[in-house]
Amino acid sequence: EAGVTQSPTHLIKTRGQQATLRCSPISGHTSVYWYQQALGLGLQFLLWYDEGEERNRGNFPPRFSGRQFPNYSSELNVNALELEDSALYLCASSSWGTNEKLFFGSGTQLSVL
Amino acid sequence: GESVGLHLPTLSVQEGDNSIINCAYSNSASDYFIWYKQESGKGPQFIIDIRSNMDKRQGQRVTVLLNKTVKHLSLQIAATQPGDSAVYFCAETPGNTPLVFGKGTRLSVIA
Repeated sequence: EAGVTQSPTHLIKTRGQQATLRCSPISGHTSVYWYQQALGLGLQFLLWYDEGEERNRGNFPPRFSGRQFPNYSSELNVNALELEDSALYLCASSSWGTNEKLFFGSGTQLSVL
Repeated sequence: GESVGLHLPTLSVQEGDNSIINCAYSNSASDYFIWYKQESGKGPQFIIDIRSNMDKRQGQRVTVLLNKTVKHLSLQIAATQPGDSAVYFCAETPGNTPLVFGKGTRLSVIA
């Protein structure tokens, strides 16, 4: 069974540009979560999607947005990139709700120059 | 601020010894707790979880202990091996919000 897949693995952008990150959950999972992991720090919750709807949002500015498609895959969009957006962006999926373990992908390393 | 934290940011242990990684949480409503292991260049990998109706849960070489009175969680790794070297995160949720993660503890195994 394939795990959570994320693309691209690495992404280099310049300040002010827009970045799009993609995630495919484990087959059968309907919930997708996005976390930001800045260097040397823990995981900060960004967004949670379930059944195509945004269910919860972390303490991030509106230029962080996303969506979930009918096949449950998801996109994270970051507009007007800033240097401090450089981080590992992790996607995770679960089969239902929040009260169970998440399965993580390997992440997209975003570098903003 | 973070509702989940760790007592020790780094931990070095001899190969073959037991490791104990500690975690404090502040949300008394949390009822689900989980430990993840993250190796360099990889996403977090599930190790073990525990719900608030339990005090202890064992897996293969790992044990999680939950003390709700003092809001403390620990991960015990028996006979630590070089492959256990990684960053370990605890996480919690009261059940209606996504997992909140601590900053992590780096475990280094000395051969």
